[in-house]
Amino acid sequence: DAGITQSPRYKITETGRQVTLMCHQTWSHSYMFWYRQDLGHGLRLIYYSAAADITDKGEVPDGYVVSRSKTENFPLTLESATRSQTSVYFCASRAGPEQFFGPGTRLTVL
Amino acid sequence: KQEVTQIPAALSVPEGENLVLNCSFTDSAIYNLQWFRQDPGKGLTSLLLIQSSQREQTSGRLNASLDKSSGRSTLYIAASQPGDSATYLCAGGEGGSNYKLTFGKGTLLTVNP
Repeated sequence: DAGITQSPRYKITETGRQVTLMCHQTWSHSYMFWYRQDLGHGLRLIYYSAAADITDKGEVPDGYVVSRSKTENFPLTLESATRSQTSVYFCASRAGPEQFFGPGTRLTVL
Repeated sequence: KQEVTQIPAALSVPEGENLVLNCSFTDSAIYNLQWFRQDPGKGLTSLLLIQSSQREQTSGRLNASLDKSSGRSTLYIAASQPGDSATYLCAGGEGGSNYKLTFGKGTLLTVNP
């Protein structure tokens, strides 16, 4: 199917573990984004990427690492998960000025 | 730093009513304004995008306006239906090549049959 897919859709992990959230888009959009959504904060930008091998920090990058070796994939890694990283994570890509979002990954850190 | 506010946080209306959702932003240099819909447990669906050179956009029963000078955007929903029940988010896009979005916290709309 065309669009953005995220995996896993749900993940439970423990404090200190490394977790990678996957994002794949079929449109070949240059720009991709990672957001987190929390009650009381809304959506906040974690990292974004302008193209393969080009990434930059957003509003809340601490504790996260991204890579983009291929245009279609943009994985987000929590190197040592903390409880404060419990959230819903959304990946997005951009066509012109308009952004399109994936279905999200609900991550719980115990 | 751009800040986006949506009021009210929640709104409940009877079916058939016309309604307006409000979005305000602090930086008038906003490049575009995008409205999204989010159903519970789902991702965001793009509804309308208004670029800085435009004043409004329409799609079906939805009409969005943008007034940069007053720092406001509105989303008008005509003849509301129970299927319109969702959270509506607005997001301001900054200029340059990034078009990074700053989101409001959303308005939870409930349309009662």
